[in-house]
Amino acid sequence: NAGVTQTPKFQVLKTGQSMTLQCAQDMNHEYMSWYRQDPGMGLRLIHYSVGAGITDQGEVPNGYNVSRSTTEDFPLRLLSAAPSQTSVYFCATRGVGTGELFFGEGSRLTVL
Amino acid sequence: AQKVTQAQTEISVVEKEDVTLDCVYETRDTTYYLFWYKQPPSGELVFLIRRNSFDEQNEISGRYSWNFQKSTSSFNFTITASQVVDSAVYFCALGDLNDYKLSFGAGTTVTVRA
Repeated sequence: NAGVTQTPKFQVLKTGQSMTLQCAQDMNHEYMSWYRQDPGMGLRLIHYSVGAGITDQGEVPNGYNVSRSTTEDFPLRLLSAAPSQTSVYFCATRGVGTGELFFGEGSRLTVL
Repeated sequence: AQKVTQAQTEISVVEKEDVTLDCVYETRDTTYYLFWYKQPPSGELVFLIRRNSFDEQNEISGRYSWNFQKSTSSFNFTITASQVVDSAVYFCALGDLNDYKLSFGAGTTVTVRA
């Protein structure tokens, strides 16, 4: 049972490049979200989705786009990467009736 | 606005010592949820506990215990008889009524020395 799978695990970009972080889940959870983790700042919510076709902004959405065409997938797009987006990104899902977030293993992104 | 403060950045203890992690939160919601997560050196995030705002009973799970005090807006976490495997970053988090947005504290790094 894979749970929440993120790819790639590591990525180095140059400023201005675009890329997509993939997140896939096999838990049939409606709720999916993206967080970024930076030293001394904990995890901050970027975007989230409560179901296919529904997305909303979190605390730090600027510079990121998301879409949710299926229950399983929730990709995070960086259209023009900036050094400030160097971070570790976590995708998380949540089932109905539980408070627990199930996190992927994280994707470490470096923007030069 | 919701806010979680973990004032302790780093804590270092010797094995078998007890360690208490502080968490203070701010919210205007009357119903909310509090969480603790553990992030070991391998980097994954591990759920430890969820507490509803209307349930102020303290909880114990093995060597872990949690003290929820609504009057002081605190949700502290104690590890009793710490072990080297407890070395990790611990995050406190606060969720809104619908639990769609989780606000995390900055984390406390716990180092347990043998």
